[in-house]
Amino acid sequence: GENVEQHPSTLSVQEGDSAVIKCTYSDSASNYFPWYKQELGKRPQLIIDIRSNVGEKKDQRIAVTLNKTAKHFSLHITETQPEDSAVYFCAASKDTGNQFYFGTGTSLTVIP
Amino acid sequence: SQTIHQWPATLVQPVGSPLSLECTVEGTSNPNLYWYRQAAGRGLQLLFYSVGIGQISSEVPQNLSASRPQDRQFILSSKKLLLSDSGFYLCAWSPFTNTEAFFGQGTRLTVV
Repeated sequence: GENVEQHPSTLSVQEGDSAVIKCTYSDSASNYFPWYKQELGKRPQLIIDIRSNVGEKKDQRIAVTLNKTAKHFSLHITETQPEDSAVYFCAASKDTGNQFYFGTGTSLTVIP
Repeated sequence: SQTIHQWPATLVQPVGSPLSLECTVEGTSNPNLYWYRQAAGRGLQLLFYSVGIGQISSEVPQNLSASRPQDRQFILSSKKLLLSDSGFYLCAWSPFTNTEAFFGQGTRLTVV
């Protein structure tokens, strides 16, 4: 089955700096890679996703890059704000599967 | 629009007692349904998923079980809870394979 690894497990940045979270996956058939943000005590919510036919996708301060050859994808948050503080999860899935495989999460703290 | 309901929000149960968590989805038909568990400070562990009524796949052997008696109803059960069953349980749905998953608000279960 798929194995998704996520790094780092914790990340602290100063407000206004950039944050980068990286994930690797093992199944070359995986072709959908969502990122979820989970605030304390709340449900995870999708913030951005990318499919394997695209190398990069951007939505305002958030961007995701995908390297299919190396089987890794990354979340980039620019101009971080305190409200970006949360746990972020990457995930991978494929057309022939019915489940998402999640990374272990990154706890991001943005220091004002 | 589609909505997902999960209850109860919090639950404290003694060791050895039974468990029943319910999740329902509105506004869609034949969704993929998922149960995840999130231990404190840990990632999302997929417990069960279902692609149709009566179709349950288990990812991790344990003393939990799941059922889907109706198209948009997903139930997580246990006959006898263990201390290790404590955690944050999340139900999720997706319209079909390989698309965004939407999470319920979660149930915080404490086994004492």
